[in-house]
Amino acid sequence: ETGVTQTPRHLVMGMTNKKSLKCEQHLGHNAMYWYKQSAKKPLELMFVYNFKEQTENNSVPSRFSPECPNSSHLFLHLHTLQPEDSALYLCASSQVPANYGYTFGSGTRLTVV
Amino acid sequence: GDSVTQMEGPVTLSEEAFLTINCTYTATGYPSLFWYVQYPGEGLQLLLKATKADDKGSNKGFEATYRKETTSFHLEKGSVQVSDSAVYFCALRSQGGSEKLVFGKGTKLTVNP
Repeated sequence: ETGVTQTPRHLVMGMTNKKSLKCEQHLGHNAMYWYKQSAKKPLELMFVYNFKEQTENNSVPSRFSPECPNSSHLFLHLHTLQPEDSALYLCASSQVPANYGYTFGSGTRLTVV
Repeated sequence: GDSVTQMEGPVTLSEEAFLTINCTYTATGYPSLFWYVQYPGEGLQLLLKATKADDKGSNKGFEATYRKETTSFHLEKGSVQVSDSAVYFCALRSQGGSEKLVFGKGTKLTVNP
């Protein structure tokens, strides 16, 4: 139990599908993050939310749409993805300020076919 | 901008060998420094941290010392085990900056029996 729960753990979707990834944290943190981890590439920060407000969007394509309804929940809505979007998507949370670093979830392994 | 450089992997060791994974950083002021570990199929877990110069972080036999003069935070363990096989990430959080952590590219460690 890491305190940050991601569902589903694995997802296979077609390029025309719409799906959503869910992240929930039970740590009382006020910041949440989406990262993309692809094979042989560095971790890529996608989005940052502080107190439910998006504070960073690292030029992520619009086919990825985040949603943060409250400080405990974070979603990543996916539509018309490409095969190169296949990756491990990691959610993390932290206090504000993040003096103690982040707590990560176990990730969702996404395969786009 | 702030950055983290860690040694290229992969690193392969025999059980009970001594481990060093080098990490250097570029940042203004006094960032907080972290080591994360990622086991196969999992998210990142915080291994240890240090928040000021000369601090030593330690956990599970791993140690790292915050060296301001050499801008380094090298990870060490005196005797590795097969169960230490994982990918290790060095990261920093800027002093007084955003909540963003800056990660190194990761170093894959394999320990053979």
